[in-house]
Order: sequence, then structure tokens, then C-alpha cells
Amino acid sequence: GDSVTQMEGPVTLSEEAFLTINCTYTATGYPSLFWYVQYPGEGLQLLLKATKADDKGSNKGFEATYRKETTSFHLEKGSVQVSDSAVYFCALREGGSEKLVFGKGTKLTVNP
Amino acid sequence: DAGVIQSPRHEVTEMGQEVTLRCKPISGHNSLFWYRQTMMRGLELLIYFNNNVPIDDSGMPEDRFSAKMPNASFSTLKIQPSEPRDSAVYFCASSLVAGGFNEQFFGPGTRLTVL
Repeated sequence: GDSVTQMEGPVTLSEEAFLTINCTYTATGYPSLFWYVQYPGEGLQLLLKATKADDKGSNKGFEATYRKETTSFHLEKGSVQVSDSAVYFCALREGGSEKLVFGKGTKLTVNP
Repeated sequence: DAGVIQSPRHEVTEMGQEVTLRCKPISGHNSLFWYRQTMMRGLELLIYFNNNVPIDDSGMPEDRFSAKMPNASFSTLKIQPSEPRDSAVYFCASSLVAGGFNEQFFGPGTRLTVL
């Protein structure tokens, strides 16, 4: 079945550091890919998405590129802020289905 | 818009008791999803409805779990009888499925503790 693997956390960075959170996927078809963010005590929010190979999703300074050849969708940000501290989830959705398959999440802590 | 509303936000109960979690989706949305989040298994889809009809319940762990959506503005997830291993955060999400990309909007979750 479909699955998503993302790097184990937690990740701790200093403010203005560069962030990479790795995500790889296994799917039978051509899924859409997503990054969701969960702030403490809240539900998940969509951060960015990409629906086909080589698409780049971006939002709030975060970026991720859909790489079909490496089945990856790594999340990056050039300069993190304390307010970026949260749990980040990589997810996929197969075409024709509304079902999201999530990775286990990566907790990011950014220190001032 | 008030977003997806879940109640209660926290529930503590004893093993064997019945637990009912409630969800009000965003007005106008036609799909509703129930997820469970645990440290061990991460975030798992339990069941989802489209136009109040269950479409995929393959994630429902066992017969102790049941979900209903009697109308477009309300859904329940019931656990009877509850067990300590059911302790988790349960999220409800809704979306407007209308072709193309359909973003799911999540509620704040219900943290369930079964003693």
C-alpha cells in the first residue's frame, strides 16, 4: 500500500538556520503530495502542495519540490523563525481518492 | 467561518465506558474525515463520508468503533466499550469535494484518555 516516510525528529535549530525535513513516498500511481503543519494544541493546517512531477509548492518561505525520480518531497526553508516551531507532516493522496496518507511527523523546535 | 468544531476537547473515562466524540464540519463542505493520532502509529484515517454516506471505513480498528453522519452538519465517533489502547487524539476534518484539489480543514482534536 501507499506509504510516507519522513525523517525522525525532533529537530532543534537556532533562529535563521536552514531547515530541511526529508520525505519519501511509496505509491502505486501518481499521487499529489502535501506538507501539513500542526502548532501546539491545534489541528493540522495545509502548508503547501504539489500535484505533479517537478511542481514546486511554496508558502510562508517554505518550499518543496515533487521529485518523481527519487520519490521525494523534501521540505526546506532558508531561515527559520521561533514561530516555525511545530510538528510537520508529509502526506500523499492518490488520484481519484480523498484519502490522505501521512508520515509520522517531525517536531521542529527553533530557539532564539 | 468558525472552522471545524469538535467536542469535547478533552475526555477522560474509565475502561469499559462508552465514549462519543462529536464533530461539526464547515458549512457547505460535503466530505468529513475522522483521524486518530498516536505516538506509535502517527496519524491514521479511520473513516470518511461523502454527502453523509460512509465511503471508506477500512481504517476503523474494530467493531467497538462506529461512526455516523445523520446530516451534513454533524457527525459522531463512538467507542463502546472503550479500552486504554484507544487513548489518542481524534481529529475531524472536512472538505468540499468538487473535482481537482480539495483541501481538508482540520478541527482542534479531542484528546481521549481511557484509564
